[in-house]
Amino acid sequence: GAGVSQSPSNKVTEKGKDVELRCDPISGHTALYWYRQRLGQGLEFLIYFQGNSAPDKSGLPSDRFSAERTGESVSTLTIQRTQQEDSAVYLCASSPGIGQPQHFGDGTRLSIL
Amino acid sequence: GQQVMQIPQYQHVQEGEDFTTYCNSSTTLSNIQWYKQRPGGHPVFLIQLVKSGEVKKQKRLTFQFGEAKKNSSLHITATQTTDVGTYFCAGRGIASGTYKYIFGTGTRLKVLA
Repeated sequence: GAGVSQSPSNKVTEKGKDVELRCDPISGHTALYWYRQRLGQGLEFLIYFQGNSAPDKSGLPSDRFSAERTGESVSTLTIQRTQQEDSAVYLCASSPGIGQPQHFGDGTRLSIL
Repeated sequence: GQQVMQIPQYQHVQEGEDFTTYCNSSTTLSNIQWYKQRPGGHPVFLIQLVKSGEVKKQKRLTFQFGEAKKNSSLHITATQTTDVGTYFCAGRGIASGTYKYIFGTGTRLKVLA
């Protein structure tokens, strides 16, 4: 079946602009994660959604970052007033349930000029 | 907060040699997952360990979870060029209260033919 889909695959924008990144999880997967990966670095946890429970937002680096998910479907990660340090690959992963393997999308490569 | 370190950061081996990466958490883990990320790709799930002292094998790969559930290792026997990539562990803290996973810093493996 279809895997995790992320769009856009690449985004170049000017400093100060807002960006919205989209993640379509695997159908039926109740858990959804967002991570940030800077060049040559590890994965930095941002936010986690599980079903209709309150999300775990503890990894969001500042109030410029926010994310939404409606039910068990699409999620969007929004970065307001982008800064150059926001340049990274943003990865989304979904899993069938809590404590289950995570399936990653190909990521969105975000470049802030 | 929970931190997960991996050593070594980089490893270059001749094809046929063995390779081991070690993962150490600052807190006790509920479970640990291992992922492989090929250059330019996204992380791909390898295995999950749950029980104290657990050992699992996948062909040439052997995974161990420490007795105290604070460390883990991945050992590859007789490396091949297809093993090239970065190996990440990801742990969920037993006292975290959520199902977020903290990824280790990763070990980048290069295999020389």
